[in-house]
Amino acid sequence: QLQLQESGPGLVKPSETLSLTCTVSGGSISSSSYYWGWIRQPPGKGLEWIGSIYYSGSTYYNPSLKSRVTISVDTSKNQFSLKLSSVTAADTAVYYCARPPSGYSSGYDAFDIWGQGTMVTVSS
Amino acid sequence: EIVLTQSPGTLSLSPGERATLSCRASQSVSSSYLAWYQQKPGQAPRLLIYGASSRATGIPDRFSGSGSGTDFTLTISRLEPEDFAVYYCQQYGSSPGFGQGTKVEIK
Repeated sequence: QLQLQESGPGLVKPSETLSLTCTVSGGSISSSSYYWGWIRQPPGKGLEWIGSIYYSGSTYYNPSLKSRVTISVDTSKNQFSLKLSSVTAADTAVYYCARPPSGYSSGYDAFDIWGQGTMVTVSS
Repeated sequence: EIVLTQSPGTLSLSPGERATLSCRASQSVSSSYLAWYQQKPGQAPRLLIYGASSRATGIPDRFSGSGSGTDFTLTISRLEPEDFAVYYCQQYGSSPGFGQGTKVEIK
């Protein structure tokens, strides 16, 4: 059964770079035709798509975050990663990694399989 | 950017009642690329509906989705105790975005 697990620091200082990794188990990132996504949710607020990546490295980003976001993939480790630069308190959120449902994946997708999420707080 | 507006903000109902949740888009959602999620406190969202009306794997048939263009609806035919949660719609026909959520609470 496919599982996703986010990992990374729970506290990041303002102006620094937030870095998270999603480890995929129970399946291979590179053997399936999916875009793998990052979504975040500030405390008590709604969901925001950050971006998605294909195993080949092709990416799609939320235009509102594009200037600060880099998503990369490491197929040898079965992981994909998120970097968000110049963070502020507004970037405090639970960060989720996720995969679309079986079938066609375009980079603009719904998400069926989610990690449990990891809380990242931006504070000095 | 397509903006999704969900209504009502809160729906107060009793178990066994029918719930009707609305999601309105500021522009037409291409190919009905509209999804619905359920989220409970401390949990990741759970995909219920994608493609406006297709149930995700394992989702009970009391959940149904309908609509096209700019107006979409999630219907829960008979509320079970475990259905009280927050529900989000999401469009993914263009750069994905989510609605602000509808909370279904016990009356």
